[in-house]
Amino acid sequence: DAKTTQPPSMDCAEGRAANLPCNHSTISGNEYVYWYRQIHSQGPQYIIHGLKNNETNEMASLIITEDRKSSTLILPHATLRDTAVYYCIVRPLGRGATNKLIFGTGTLLAVQP
Amino acid sequence: DSGVTQTPKHLITATGQRVTLRCSPRSGDLSVYWYQQSLDQGLQFLIQYYNGEERAKGNILERFSAQQFPDLHSELNLSSLELGDSALYFCASSAVTSGWNNEQFFGPGTRLTVL
Repeated sequence: DAKTTQPPSMDCAEGRAANLPCNHSTISGNEYVYWYRQIHSQGPQYIIHGLKNNETNEMASLIITEDRKSSTLILPHATLRDTAVYYCIVRPLGRGATNKLIFGTGTLLAVQP
Repeated sequence: DSGVTQTPKHLITATGQRVTLRCSPRSGDLSVYWYQQSLDQGLQFLIQYYNGEERAKGNILERFSAQQFPDLHSELNLSSLELGDSALYFCASSAVTSGWNNEQFFGPGTRLTVL
């Protein structure tokens, strides 16, 4: 079962920041937070991941709370092409850890013109 | 373009038949993963191979099997097909099987329709 909780859907105006929340209150010390997105029926696309520090790359920023029980994915300037289902996934890393991704139901982000 | 290729793109077949889905990972990636996405079950992990060996198994039915060949491409075999097997099947690859930068790159998928 997925170990994360996300709102089923969100709207965002084009050009504005999209803030997608994720709750992972049972996260373990060796588990990382990953975000993927899936644009209509395409293969999921990796966005970003983090452990406890905030992370930023060319696609997005990831803010993880100090207690690590929740996180927020930020798309700074959403465009229509960012309309997709966004999945928040927690998974362990390290020697021997399974590498499978357990997808929940995700958040459908609709960017409005 | 993720660099992962899957063939065929679409497949239509009848119940009871057998099909083979093919995946070529990104150049240099040793790990291959198979996922199934259906309307009622969402995206589900099926199986992982690493350098030719099975590494992890998920909710894969006994009617399904997979293998990874010496050239690292992988095939997913689905037999005795049922209507409920209709789904999108994704292949993904990653460079290694553990570690920090271990994101998976997904192919475009094969859409299987069982009539």
